[in-house]
Parts: sequence; structure tokens; C-alpha cells
Amino acid sequence: EAGVTQFPSHSVIEKGQTVTLRCDPISGHDNLYWYRRVMGKEIKFLLHFVKESKQDESGMPNNRFLAERTGGTYSTLKVQPAELEDSGVYFCASSQVRGYEQYFGPGTRLTVT
Amino acid sequence: QKEVEQNSGPLSVPEGAIASLNCTYSDRGSQSFFWYRQYSGKSPELIMSIYSNGDKEDGRFTAQLNKASQYVSLLIRDSQPSDSATYLCAVSFNFGNEKLTFGTGTRLTIIP
Repeated sequence: EAGVTQFPSHSVIEKGQTVTLRCDPISGHDNLYWYRRVMGKEIKFLLHFVKESKQDESGMPNNRFLAERTGGTYSTLKVQPAELEDSGVYFCASSQVRGYEQYFGPGTRLTVT
Repeated sequence: QKEVEQNSGPLSVPEGAIASLNCTYSDRGSQSFFWYRQYSGKSPELIMSIYSNGDKEDGRFTAQLNKASQYVSLLIRDSQPSDSATYLCAVSFNFGNEKLTFGTGTRLTIIP
């Protein structure tokens, strides 16, 4: 069984540019989560999809972040326009059953210069 | 007070000994508890989950949960150099609020 995959693995962009991160969850996992770790801090929740619906987006920092999950399969997280403080590692996780084990992808390291 | 607290370490343990990692959490409503292992530059890897008070064993790993004391721990028996990593404690509620709240992690080094 393939794990959670994320693309790209690294992205370096300038302040003001746009970046789109992609996550493919484990097949059959309806629950998809986005998390972020900024340097020196703990991993923090961004949002949760159940299939194509946003269940909880309480962790989204501001309206420069837009997440979508078309058809309940893969998800994208767009940052527009990017700011310096958006730099960090963005993780995606998926789970089969709500409230239980979440499996993480390899992450996308985003650097905004 | 942080929601999930861990000793950042580093914690050094001789090879073959028992490594003990601790985590406390502030919200009494927390229902699900997880330990993740993270190697440098890699993603968190789930190694244990525990949902009820007591001990849960899986191979060399034992998770212990005490909800009254708001305390969860991870024991690693017969520690190996490959166990050297950062161990993350994460907690969540159940259905309706399943986001994970993480601690900052404990860095464990197994000394050959």
C-alpha cells in the first residue's frame, strides 16, 4: 500500500509569489489533514478535509492560504501571495477513521526569500 | 502552559537499555494519544497509539497512559542505535475534533 505522497519536496520562492503544494493521501482514506512546522516550533494543525468537505479549518493562518480537495482525492494548498513567515515544512496526513491513526507524508519544505 | 509538553532532551541512553520518554497534556478532554518517531529531515512516523488507561505493548515499544494524571509515556526496551531520533507526542479528541496537537519532541540518542 502506497503511503501519503507530497509534491514538491522542496520549493524556494520569492516573497509575493504564489506556490501550490499537493498531497495524495493513502488510497481509501477519506480524512486528509494539513500541518505545518516552522523552524524551532512544534507541528501545528492547519485544516482537515473529510472527502471534499472542509471539516475544520481553524488552523489556517490567514486568507492567503487556500486549500482544496477536488473529488475527495488529492488536495492542494495554495499560498498567495507568500510572505517570509510562511517558510517551513508543510505536512499532509491521512486517516481512514476519524479520531484514529494519522499517517504523514514526507512533507514539502517551503522557503520564502 | 503548553498544551502538550515534552522534555526536549537530548536524552542519551546506552545501547540495550530502556529509554523512557514522557509527555503531559493540559486538556482533560483529550481522548487519543500517539507517539511518532521523526528522523532528521524526515516525516513523522507513527509508532504507537493508545486510547485507554494502562499499558499497550508492540514489540520493543510500550505506551503507558494515565488520564487522571494527564500523562502518557513511551518505553523503548533493548534500545538500538537506529532508535536515535526525535520522538513526538501528539494528542487529539475523537470524532468532531481530530486535529493532532503536538509537543516539541524529545531528542533521543542511543549510545553504542
